[in-house]
Amino acid sequence: DIQMTQSPSSLSASVGDRVTIACRASQSISTDLNWYQHKRGKAPKLLIYAASNLESGVPSRFSGSGSGTDFTLTISSLQPEDFATYYCQRSLTPPYTFGQGTKVEIK
Amino acid sequence: QVQLVESGGGAVQPGSSLRLACAASGFTFRSYGMHWVRQAPGKGLEWVAVIWFDGRNKFYADSVKGRFTISRGDSKNTLHLEMNSLRVEDTAVYYCARAGGRDAGVADIWGQGTLVTVSS
Repeated sequence: DIQMTQSPSSLSASVGDRVTIACRASQSISTDLNWYQHKRGKAPKLLIYAASNLESGVPSRFSGSGSGTDFTLTISSLQPEDFATYYCQRSLTPPYTFGQGTKVEIK
Repeated sequence: QVQLVESGGGAVQPGSSLRLACAASGFTFRSYGMHWVRQAPGKGLEWVAVIWFDGRNKFYADSVKGRFTISRGDSKNTLHLEMNSLRVEDTAVYYCARAGGRDAGVADIWGQGTLVTVSS
């Protein structure tokens, strides 16, 4: 099965910072990659699908890029409500493996 | 509005069985595949199972294959997860999620989750 590895596992940032989270697949998955935001006690939320497509209603400060094995989620200007854990997920063909998560904390 | 509500969680002993339910509303349930995803305490999200919109195809994570069964009742807009031979490591919050129509791997709508605790 394809493994998904995120880096870093956690990061500290300030409001207004540009934040980048990386996700690497153990083999090529084209652009079959999604990103989710998860806050403690809440339902996870889809942010990006097919590597770079912004889900409806998601702020434009979120963007995704990449193809093949290397992907990136970027938050252009971190807002207070963005402090959460972010997950990448392999899509299209099961098993739909998640990365281990990246926790974004307040500096 | 589009909504998913899980139920059926609880505390059980190892080796027991439990059946989770997910009630869907606000969309045409029979037109969408559905997922179960879980999060163990202090851990990340783990995909568990998916069922196609027509119920013909079902796929499972290796960690639950042979023990868990996903099913759907389209007449009642309900998704189920039958969990047998439960282990301590199955302790988690279990979420149901709608599979996006464009790609069954995309989980575009999620419930709030139901907690399953497996302990002796």
